[in-house]
Amino acid sequence: DGGITQSPKYLFRKEGQNVTLSCEQNLNHDAMYWYRQDPGQGLRLIYYSQIVNDFQKGDIAEGYSVSREKKESFPLTVTSAQKNPTAFYLCASSSEWFSYGYTFGSGTRLTVV
Amino acid sequence: ELKVEQNPLFLSMQEGKNYTIYCNYSTTSDRLYWYRQDPGKSLESLFVLLSNGAVKQEGRLMASLDTKARLSTLHITAAVHDLSATYFCAVAPTGTASKLTFGTGTRLQVTL
Repeated sequence: DGGITQSPKYLFRKEGQNVTLSCEQNLNHDAMYWYRQDPGQGLRLIYYSQIVNDFQKGDIAEGYSVSREKKESFPLTVTSAQKNPTAFYLCASSSEWFSYGYTFGSGTRLTVV
Repeated sequence: ELKVEQNPLFLSMQEGKNYTIYCNYSTTSDRLYWYRQDPGKSLESLFVLLSNGAVKQEGRLMASLDTKARLSTLHITAAVHDLSATYFCAVAPTGTASKLTFGTGTRLQVTL
């Protein structure tokens, strides 16, 4: 079955630590996205990539980094520079011209301990 | 900058009642999407509206798109408790294919 997989489901980060969230898709989608969602809030775009080896900052990129070395994979690193990383992180992918909109992964809940 | 506004932000309604959620957007678009999010879960695609006048229905939910008015509606008929969730609309401006812009979300609570 085609889909988009995020791991881990839950992640705990210590102060000053970098952590990486995984996002893999087998839908053959060109574009991939990372969003952050705080409790009771909407979605805020962190980074997106429309093609391998290229990505653009979203609205809240500070303290985050990404790579897109393979079409299937778009990992997100939450660096120690992100001072308030506790949130729900959603990865999504889409085909060209959003024929079906986005397909979302199941999300990663990150908590600072 | 594209703005997408939903109203109401919060809706509490009784089972069996009808109601409409509105999604207004600020630029030309002929593609609009509705998603549902259950508490603590990811977003699930509900409707894809790809032309002016498009209407889609699934169970007690019906979505429509009026590109001239820059408005989409999500109509709930005879609400049931299982429809309790947060609903998001998302828009792609005409001629662009970089990313969707999401509305603020409407939290729907259906009470007995």
